[in-house]
Amino acid sequence: GQQLNQSPQSMFIQEGEDVSMNCTSSSIFNTWLWYKQDPGEGPVLLIALYKAGELTSNGRLTAQFGITRKDSFLNISASIPSDVGIYFCAGHSKGANSKLTFGKGITLSVRP
Amino acid sequence: EAQVTQNPRYLITVTGKKLTVTCSQNMNHEYMSWYRQDPGLGLRQIYYSMNVEVTDKGDVPEGYKVSRKEKRNFPLILESPSPNQTSLYFCASSHPRGQISNNEQFFGPGTRLTVL
Repeated sequence: GQQLNQSPQSMFIQEGEDVSMNCTSSSIFNTWLWYKQDPGEGPVLLIALYKAGELTSNGRLTAQFGITRKDSFLNISASIPSDVGIYFCAGHSKGANSKLTFGKGITLSVRP
Repeated sequence: EAQVTQNPRYLITVTGKKLTVTCSQNMNHEYMSWYRQDPGLGLRQIYYSMNVEVTDKGDVPEGYKVSRKEKRNFPLILESPSPNQTSLYFCASSHPRGQISNNEQFFGPGTRLTVL
């Protein structure tokens, strides 16, 4: 089946640093979504991308839909302690009702 | 406030005792889905529903049932829970975007289930 690869599993950064996360696939995806899950909560949608090459920002977050349609990245600039959480990528591969495929997530820790 | 609600948030039960986890959304979304989240395995889809009275299996449907009698509600039923169903469960809903019905999914807060 479709797979989205996120690595590493965990990232540790210092407050104020920028961080970039990648999501890759061997298949073409038509939609890329980035979610964040806070401890004890459900995932919350951060950014949605619908066109190859699209670059979208949401505050300190920026995400891009890769030109090859097989990858996406999420950038967090000037990290703060509340950025701690699990970041998931998700996407649709093809077809109107294909399921949403999720990556396994990257756990981000921010040291004050 | 637009939201997906789940009840209960926490549940400890014993093997074989039927239980239902409720899910409700107030956004008039057509698509609803149930996921389980386990360490190292990420989010796996259990069942989904494209609309009222339309349900289908996801990746891990064994041991679960669902129903969609009304648009806003999508309960998850475990007829005879077993310890391997101990997990964190999420309900999600979404509105169609173009021809894609399950795109930007909104998640509930989760239900942590322990089966002894």
